[in-house]
Amino acid sequence: DVKVTQSSRYLVKRTGEKVFLECVQDMDHENMFWYRQDPGLGLRLIYFSYDVKMKEKGDIPEGYSVSREKKERFSLILESASTNQTSMYLCASSFFRPAKSSYEQYFGPGTRLTVT
Amino acid sequence: GNSVTQMEGPVTLSEEAFLTINCTYTATGYPSLFWYVQYPGEGLQLLLKATKADDKGSNKGFEATYRKETTSFHLEKGSVQVSDSAVYFCALTKNSGGSNYKLTFGKGTLLTVNP
Repeated sequence: DVKVTQSSRYLVKRTGEKVFLECVQDMDHENMFWYRQDPGLGLRLIYFSYDVKMKEKGDIPEGYSVSREKKERFSLILESASTNQTSMYLCASSFFRPAKSSYEQYFGPGTRLTVT
Repeated sequence: GNSVTQMEGPVTLSEEAFLTINCTYTATGYPSLFWYVQYPGEGLQLLLKATKADDKGSNKGFEATYRKETTSFHLEKGSVQVSDSAVYFCALTKNSGGSNYKLTFGKGTLLTVNP
């Protein structure tokens, strides 16, 4: 089974702190993604990466950065956390050129971040 | 651009009732279509998928048929259980082009099944 793990299930940080969210996958997937999930807005893509050290902005990258130094690990960084970044953060991974057009993404359990 | 529209919830049903959650999409080319489910406190899990027109995806008693003529992928289940209570997301991805690995999601539909 594909396993995507995230470093924390719940996190509470103060405004202005630097926050690191870590994600690890064990399926040798090339693609990794960070989403945030908010009520009424669904899932919105923050950043994605299709290879080590490669990244592309998603729909809402402002206030976030990412790091991918190893294939299995993708980190989301909030340089200076703000209260409007309180949300559920979901990591996902997938193959870049999957067999049988199977483009599904595999998700981690999520990190609920509260910024006070 | 690509978009997914699914019926707004919340949807509340009694156990053994019939479920339909509507999903329509807008996309260029021939997307693959997915239903994901999110149980309380968990991440998203793939429920079923269809990669070409007229394909039917099925899993755990849920079904959805890829209808290109109506650009729809409605989720159905004949008899829901309390354990089906969750948020359901419809999603698509392109099958070709530079962004064929990006998913576009609907906003989700909360289903509550009462005993």
